[in-house]
Amino acid sequence: EAQVTQNPRYLITVTGKKLTVTCSQNMNHEYMSWYRQDPGLGLRQIYYSMNVEVTDKGDVPEGYKVSRKEKRNFPLILESPSPNQTSLYFCASSSRGRGDTEAFFGQGTRLTVV
Amino acid sequence: AQSVTQPDIHITVSEGASLELRCNYSYGATPYLFWYVQSPGQGLQLLLKYFSGDTLVQGIKGFEAEFKRSQSSFNLRKPSVHWSDAAEYFCAVGEGGGADGLTFGKGTHLIIQP
Repeated sequence: EAQVTQNPRYLITVTGKKLTVTCSQNMNHEYMSWYRQDPGLGLRQIYYSMNVEVTDKGDVPEGYKVSRKEKRNFPLILESPSPNQTSLYFCASSSRGRGDTEAFFGQGTRLTVV
Repeated sequence: AQSVTQPDIHITVSEGASLELRCNYSYGATPYLFWYVQSPGQGLQLLLKYFSGDTLVQGIKGFEAEFKRSQSSFNLRKPSVHWSDAAEYFCAVGEGGGADGLTFGKGTHLIIQP
């Protein structure tokens, strides 16, 4: 089954403790992206990647890092999480960037930083 | 810069009644437009998309949307809602459907009354 898998689904952590949220897709997609969803703000893009070793900042990249060492994986790293990073995070992938294509989303990771 | 406005944060509709969710966009060229649905605890699912051609597009679950260039709108409609339609709905715009370049609205929370 074609899917985007995020882990963990739920995470509670303390301020300053480094964490990684994993994202993996089994569709051989080149494009991957991370979004955060906050009430009243919709989804905002954090980082995206157009291929292995190619990443770029989205609209809200501060406090986050990403890496794309393999095509299927696109982990989101919070080196020193803060409470304002408490949010619902979504990973997405697509075969192409622009044009007639479709983004597939993971089920989300709900992160709470205390 | 591209942007999406969903003017209604919450909408309450009786089961069996018709539904229209509003979406206005700002985009410099011909936009690619999308509606996604997020059911509780789930990821985002694509309902429908508009790239070109017929301005009335049909989607899954009985939804349709109409692109009106003169009004910069892409409103979502359904003739008769079901309790299972209760969810968060997001309108999005981009240069395509890829994971890298979507801009989302803030979402409309749909409540279905019995």
